[in-house]
Amino acid sequence: GQQLNQSPQSMFIQEGEDVSMNCTSSSIFNTWLWYKQDPGEGPVLLIALYKAGELTSNGRLTAQFGITRKDSFLNISASIPSDVGIYFCAGGSGTYKYIFGTGTRLKVLA
Amino acid sequence: NAGVTQTPKFQVLKTGQSMTLQCAQDMNHEYMSWYRQDPGMGLRLIHYSVGAGITDQGEVPNGYNVSRSTTEDFPLRLLSAAPSQTSVYFCASRPGQMNTEAFFGQGTRLTVV
Repeated sequence: GQQLNQSPQSMFIQEGEDVSMNCTSSSIFNTWLWYKQDPGEGPVLLIALYKAGELTSNGRLTAQFGITRKDSFLNISASIPSDVGIYFCAGGSGTYKYIFGTGTRLKVLA
Repeated sequence: NAGVTQTPKFQVLKTGQSMTLQCAQDMNHEYMSWYRQDPGMGLRLIHYSVGAGITDQGEVPNGYNVSRSTTEDFPLRLLSAAPSQTSVYFCASRPGQMNTEAFFGQGTRLTVV
């Protein structure tokens, strides 16, 4: 089945650093979603994007809907230890079903 | 608010056994879904329901059955468990088909030996 490619797969960063990750697809999507998943928990929706070129923030998180509609980006500014976890993207199309990315595992070094 | 509640949280089955994973939501959402999560892969849709009495197959439906007799509950049944069904299962709900997939349960970690 179709899956989205997320990059990087994992990353170690120092506390206070900014983080960037992206999600790419060969297909066009109408919606891009970004989630965070903590160990033993379900995904929690962070940001939803509905329009090509849209830039949306949620606290220290900023996400963008790529102009080509085939990619999306998530930035975390001034990372803190509680940012550790797995970040997933998901793309939605006209079928109202979502395709999920493989995840970026973030580890923050204090 | 309870949100989306899944039970059990952990389960070990022997090959060939059957069981039902429970999912309940208290938000009066019409749309509910089941996903499985495997290492190195994104969530994959198993089955979904757009409302009580209506279900349909997702990307990986083989080996699973669902029913939706009430708005609140959406159980997932494994008829004859196989090791390939070892996974973490997530139930999700949203107000309607056009809404964002925003509410997930905490997951059921299933091991089939």
